[in-house]
Amino acid sequence: GAVVSQHPSRVICKSGTSVKIECRSLDFQATTMFWYRQFPKQSLMLMATSNEGSKATYEQGVEKDKFLINHASLTLSTLTVTSAHPEDSSFYICSAGRGSGLFFGSGTQLSVL
Amino acid sequence: KQEVTQIPAALSVPEGENLVLNCSFTDSAIYNLQWFRQDPGKGLTSLLLIQSSQREQTSGRLNASLDKSSGRSTLYIAASQPGDSATYLCAASNFGNEKLTFGTGTRLTIIP
Repeated sequence: GAVVSQHPSRVICKSGTSVKIECRSLDFQATTMFWYRQFPKQSLMLMATSNEGSKATYEQGVEKDKFLINHASLTLSTLTVTSAHPEDSSFYICSAGRGSGLFFGSGTQLSVL
Repeated sequence: KQEVTQIPAALSVPEGENLVLNCSFTDSAIYNLQWFRQDPGKGLTSLLLIQSSQREQTSGRLNASLDKSSGRSTLYIAASQPGDSATYLCAASNFGNEKLTFGTGTRLTIIP
């Protein structure tokens, strides 16, 4: 089956720093990838749709200047949390579509101190 | 706007029993519905995907059904095992749209 790799799996950073999360489709090309966020005891919420070669589409309430998305190739999308604060601490997970299915990365647990 | 709800939020079942997890959605114009398993602090594992034209899908001890008219899907787990303990999420994809709307999840505990 299709594999989506996400890195890092866990990151702890100080408030004010920026954190980059990578999402790679290992055995297929993905023109579109999706970024989700999950706060403790809540479900996954779509943050943005990453489009290869064009600007990402953000969901309502998600700050595009804070969550920078770059989809520079057909196999890689990155999410950068800029000037992270404790309230940004969450589980971030990406997905990529192939055929009629969606495949998810293993997620990144971000903890901002 | 699609809304997906899962009831109950948590369920504990003795090992060996059969069980049903419920999922309801408000917009019946879905492209597909998926069931996922999520283990603590980890990503999602896709269990079953039901296309809008299908009524059910089976994989091993798992069977998922879809009733678009009533806006409901169920996940049936037969002969439950402790390894089935996890959070189960259902997610709906609107027609022609890959974006998923996730339910709130059911945290399942199988008691040995």
